[in-house]
Amino acid sequence: QVQLVQSGAEVKKPGASVKVSCKVSGNILSEMSIHWVRQAPGKGLEWMGGFDPEDGETFSAQRFQGRVTMTEDTSTDTAYMELSSLRSEDTAVYYCATGGGSYYSPFDFWGRGTLVTVSS
Amino acid sequence: EVVLTQSPGTLSLSPGERATLSCRASQSVSSRYLAWYQQRPGQTPRLLIYGTSSRATGIPGRFSGSGSGTDFTLTISRLEPEDFAVYYCQQYNRSPPTFGQGTKVEIK
Repeated sequence: QVQLVQSGAEVKKPGASVKVSCKVSGNILSEMSIHWVRQAPGKGLEWMGGFDPEDGETFSAQRFQGRVTMTEDTSTDTAYMELSSLRSEDTAVYYCATGGGSYYSPFDFWGRGTLVTVSS
Repeated sequence: EVVLTQSPGTLSLSPGERATLSCRASQSVSSRYLAWYQQRPGQTPRLLIYGTSSRATGIPGRFSGSGSGTDFTLTISRLEPEDFAVYYCQQYNRSPPTFGQGTKVEIK
């Protein structure tokens, strides 16, 4: 059974960066497609980006391009999502999710989410 | 990008009633690549249906999905108290994967 364990809540000032981690167990990270989804308070789900293990490429939503960086440390089976130039609208719960080895899969497994609060 | 529009925004029903939720895509989506998620208050989204009509592991039979092309439907045959939640459709046919804005099923 795949489990995704995320890092704890963060409070950041506008303009700062945040890095959220997602540790995978039950499977090998390098063979998995990890996606990042966020949810602002009272709002819906918004896909931010994901990794395609078949071609080794990372894709991000156009609105986050230039601000989001997704990386992986296969030695610890941990995926990371870093969002820079934070603004108040980035206050949200950030989830990692996966459907297994294919980028084009539904998201069977989700982390519990990491609350990021951006406030001066 | 494929835009998914869900309707209605809110569905007010009583336990035991049937719920029908709609998801319309801005362009055709292969039925292999349409999913539904449930999110209860304060909880993580949970996969209900994938491939338009296949139930995920552990999902009860009162949940069913149907549709093709640009029109998809999630049906809950008889609402249980734990079914009052927000439901999202998702397409993963084309990148970027996209979600609908959600339908809230609330107790009438």
